[in-house]
Amino acid sequence: AQSVTQLDSQVPVFEEAPVELRCNYSSSVSVYLFWYVQYPNQGLQLLLKYLSGSTLVKSINGFEAEFNKSQTSFHLRKPSVHISDTAEYFCAVSDPLTGGGNKLTFGTGTQLKVEL
Amino acid sequence: EPEVTQTPSHQVTQMGQEVILRCVPISNHLYFYWYRQILGQKVEFLVSFYNNEISEKSEIFDDQFSVERPDGSNFTLKIRSTKLEDSAMYFCASSETERTQYFGPGTRLTVL
Repeated sequence: AQSVTQLDSQVPVFEEAPVELRCNYSSSVSVYLFWYVQYPNQGLQLLLKYLSGSTLVKSINGFEAEFNKSQTSFHLRKPSVHISDTAEYFCAVSDPLTGGGNKLTFGTGTQLKVEL
Repeated sequence: EPEVTQTPSHQVTQMGQEVILRCVPISNHLYFYWYRQILGQKVEFLVSFYNNEISEKSEIFDDQFSVERPDGSNFTLKIRSTKLEDSAMYFCASSETERTQYFGPGTRLTVL
């Protein structure tokens, strides 16, 4: 069974500083990888995804993540955070070969708190 | 942009009562899912649904749970006899091609 590890439960950072949220997954032949963001009192919004192709994927609001197969990682980065980036970030993985609708397995989440 | 919608946003019920949580997936999507998030814990998969049948379910999804697509637009999760430990945020998600899932805003279920 797949598993996802997000080692950092909380990451405090000052506005305009860079940030990296770490995500590691258990090894599999092939994976789909996702980052979802949950703003306070809201649902899960898809931030970015890796399905195939280029290992570096980007979101429209400046986040990027790189799929590293050898390290089984999919870390999320942003070069300069804004106060509005304060939210909980979830890494998730699915296995396209298992069928059954490709259920998502989530990490425990990382709370990003951007301070002035 | 199309969205997954869920009703109600908050449901309060007494232990032992039946609840039905409703979802309207994105209209051209074929795969449907329910997840839950107990307060302070990770999001957990409950069930996936395709072609009018369950394609996979987790061990959480026992006989107290059922899902249904009663018409062409709604997707429901029924909990037959709620327990205190069913208190959680329940998320519906849908997917067009079994790849990328889009989530609704969730229903907060409180069992007293």
